[in-house]
Amino acid sequence: NAGVTQTPKFRILKIGQSMTLQCAQDMNHNYMYWYRQDPGMGLKLIYYSVGAGITDKGEVPNGYNVSRSTTEDFPLRLELAAPSQTSVYFCASSTGQGTSSYNSPLHFGNGTRLTVT
Amino acid sequence: GQSLEQPSEVTAVEGAIVQINCTYQTSGFYGLSWYQQHDGGAPTFLSYNALDGLEETGRFSSFLSRSDSYGYLLLQELQMKDSASYFCAGLLGSSYKLIFGSGTRLLVRP
Repeated sequence: NAGVTQTPKFRILKIGQSMTLQCAQDMNHNYMYWYRQDPGMGLKLIYYSVGAGITDKGEVPNGYNVSRSTTEDFPLRLELAAPSQTSVYFCASSTGQGTSSYNSPLHFGNGTRLTVT
Repeated sequence: GQSLEQPSEVTAVEGAIVQINCTYQTSGFYGLSWYQQHDGGAPTFLSYNALDGLEETGRFSSFLSRSDSYGYLLLQELQMKDSASYFCAGLLGSSYKLIFGSGTRLLVRP
């Protein structure tokens, strides 16, 4: 199993450009998450999804959009990139079974390192 | 708002025991999880506590007291490879959001 696959690994964007960060999982997980991690800091939740067709905002959703048309894929869209969006972006998934999803470990991808200049 | 607080850094000697604390500021968390992250890597799951008390997984133990909004991760027989950042995470039961603490950087010295 590949687990959670994120592409690209690295990207440099100019201010105002747009891009999509791809995330795919092959574990048939219902729950998927996008986090960003600034240097030396914790992970901040951007968006999450509890199943295909269902998405919701996290702690820091401004400047981002997501979609979940299939169970496997959860792309993150950046519109009008800004220097404040320079960060490492992690996608994660878990089985998430109702309120017992706290005992479903998150499986993380290897991250996308994004620089906006 | 919801937040989880951790010390920013802890230093310990190889072979020793170290405790990393996590306090949270909301009553809406369902359980506490712990993740390890080495520099340049992705976080990996270590343990979780759904109920009060101690959970043990090899050299790692995790404790939760919901009445005190407090938990900790205990690492025994420290090894150099345990040098990493450790994050506590809480699930907001009303929304399934998994919120992470600010992280504790553990440095293990010879």
